[in-house]
Amino acid sequence: EAGVTQFPSHSVIEKGQTVTLRCDPISGHDNLYWYRRVMGKEIKFLLHFVKESKQDESGMPNNRFLAERTGGTYSTLKVQPAELEDSGVYFCASSQYNSETQYFGPGTRLLVL
Amino acid sequence: SQKIEQNSEALNIQEGKTATLTCNYTNYSPAYLQWYRQDPGRGPVFLLLIRENEKEKRKERLKVTFDTTLKQSLFHITASQPADSATYLCARPNSGGYQKVTFGTGTKLQVIP
Repeated sequence: EAGVTQFPSHSVIEKGQTVTLRCDPISGHDNLYWYRRVMGKEIKFLLHFVKESKQDESGMPNNRFLAERTGGTYSTLKVQPAELEDSGVYFCASSQYNSETQYFGPGTRLLVL
Repeated sequence: SQKIEQNSEALNIQEGKTATLTCNYTNYSPAYLQWYRQDPGRGPVFLLLIRENEKEKRKERLKVTFDTTLKQSLFHITASQPADSATYLCARPNSGGYQKVTFGTGTKLQVIP
């Protein structure tokens, strides 16, 4: 069974540019989460989808971040315009409905210069 | 706010010994605690979940305890091996949305041959 995949694995962009991260969850998982880890800090929750609906987006830093999950399958996280403090590792995770066990992807390492 | 603290940033032990990692939480006891393993350049991998009403849970060489009086969970690896070297993360669910979790900063374990 394929795990959670994320694309790209790395991204280096300049301040002010736009970047779109993609996450493909495990097939059949209704729950999809985005997390971020900035240098030296803990992994922090960004938002949670149940199928195509945003269940909880309380962790989104500001309106420069936009997450979508059209059709309830893969999800994208767009940062526009990117700022220096957006640098970090963005993780996606998925889980089955009503399961506490989350399966994480390898992460996308974003560097904003 | 609900916090998770892993007091030791790093822990070095000799191969064959038991590694004990500590996770402390604040405020009310969560319904469960989770432990994850993270290797460099990878996403966290779920290891164990222990519920509030469980004192102890085991899985092969791993053992987790949950002490609601001390507000603490201990994670033990017995007969440690160099392959156990990794960062171990503790996580708790947040109130109002059990699937949104808060992570600790992790403890980096190094098992010395």
